[in-house]
Amino acid sequence: DTAVSQTPKYLVTQMGNDKSIKCEQNLGHDTMYWYKQDSKKFLKIMFSYNNKELIINETVPNRFSPKSPDKAHLNLHINSLELGDSAVYFCASSHRGAGELFFGEGSRLTVL
Amino acid sequence: AQTVTQSQPEMSVQEAETVTLSCTYDTSESDYYLFWYKQPPSRQMILVIRQEAYKQQNATENRFSVNFQKAAKSFSLKISDSQLGDAAMYFCAYVLTQGGSEKLVFGKGTKLTVNP
Repeated sequence: DTAVSQTPKYLVTQMGNDKSIKCEQNLGHDTMYWYKQDSKKFLKIMFSYNNKELIINETVPNRFSPKSPDKAHLNLHINSLELGDSAVYFCASSHRGAGELFFGEGSRLTVL
Repeated sequence: AQTVTQSQPEMSVQEAETVTLSCTYDTSESDYYLFWYKQPPSRQMILVIRQEAYKQQNATENRFSVNFQKAAKSFSLKISDSQLGDAAMYFCAYVLTQGGSEKLVFGKGTKLTVNP
């Protein structure tokens, strides 16, 4: 059983399009995250949700809109895609206070 | 600013030998967590080892151990008896707590090559 699952794993699209990445965790965690890994492998947090409430928004452009319908799901919608959005996007989850993050397999987004 | 620094962009080791990856961090907190994550070419982020700052004993997980020096804010990872499957990017990370929120702050990573 996959603990944190993301779909799709790969996404290739044209500039200006809108796309979504979905994430689900079956670990019973109360906190979920989106991280972006750039071409130099640097991992940076984008958003964090705790029990469906937005906790962290790290100065991400408004074109990125996370949505958490329940504490087991956190989706990421990206409008008007730009070349610089090409990256691997990781979903993760944790128990608040436990520190350790459990990561999904990542979704590689390529914008042409 | 709270930061994590990995000073070695790349390291290499011979199979069966030992290698140490360096990490320093900056924090004003007294209690926190530190982690090493491994990212093989499959890109999955895998937890290697964790350390709680209030514990003086260095964490160990099989062939992986840490040298945690709290006063020096140093958290190095030692891999003993290196295996080909250890080849990966290794990320040091620190849990930053701010205003009731938590986030994992990563170093820039060290790419480890294991030579047969």
